[in-house]
Amino acid sequence: AQSVTQPDIHITVSEGASLELRCNYSYGATPYLFWYVQSPGQGLQLLLKYFSGDTLVQGIKGFEAEFKRSQSSFNLRKPSVHWSDAAEYFCAVVPVGANNLFFGTGTRLTVIP
Amino acid sequence: NAGVTQTPKFQVLKTGQSMTLQCAQDMNHNSMYWYRQDPGMGLRLIYYSASEGTTDKGEVPNGYNVSRLNKREFSLRLESAAPSQTSVYFCASSELRGAYEQYFGPGTRLTVT
Repeated sequence: AQSVTQPDIHITVSEGASLELRCNYSYGATPYLFWYVQSPGQGLQLLLKYFSGDTLVQGIKGFEAEFKRSQSSFNLRKPSVHWSDAAEYFCAVVPVGANNLFFGTGTRLTVIP
Repeated sequence: NAGVTQTPKFQVLKTGQSMTLQCAQDMNHNSMYWYRQDPGMGLRLIYYSASEGTTDKGEVPNGYNVSRLNKREFSLRLESAAPSQTSVYFCASSELRGAYEQYFGPGTRLTVT
C-alpha cells in the first residue's frame, strides 16, 4: 500500500545535540517530499521541500533533509538543536499524478536542557 | 497580514448538534483546504477548494460539507456532529492548486460528547 511512514513517535534530545528524524515512503514513483513543523498550539509551517535535483535540501530554521532514492527516505537533520525546536514534525508527500498532500503520523521532539 | 485565521478556537458540541467552522485567508490564495488531525494519524484532508466556486472531496469527507463563500473564506459544516468527529481541525491555503506550500491556520479543537 502507498504510504508515508515516520517510525519514531517521540524523540528526546539534549539541547545542542544533533537531530535526525526519519521519513520513509512507499510509492511506485518518487513523490514530492516535504517536512512541516507544528509548534505547540500552532498550525503547521513548511520547513523544506524536495521536488528534484540536489538530494540535500536546505530549509528554514537551520534544518536540512537528504533524499535517498535507494532507501526511499527523506530524513530531516539539524546539527545542533535549540530548545525552541521542541515541536511535532510531519513528513508529507504529494504522489506522482496527485495534487494533495499526504501526511505521516508525526514525530514529537522534546528538547531537554 | 494575519495569514490564515480560524474561528472558533475551541468548541464543545453534543451529539447531533450542528456547527460551522470558519476560515479566512488574506494572502489572495486561490486554493483552500480543510484537514482534521487525530492522535497517531497525522493530518487527513477532508475537503478542498482549488479555486473560488469549486469544492472537492478529500480522504475523509463523510459527515462534512463545505462552502467556498468567496476567495477569502472557506467554511466547514458539521450537520449532525458525532463523537468520531472529535478532532483538531486545520484550515490551510496555497497560492495555486499545485503549489504545495500550504499555509495553516492555528486550528479549532472540537469535542463532541
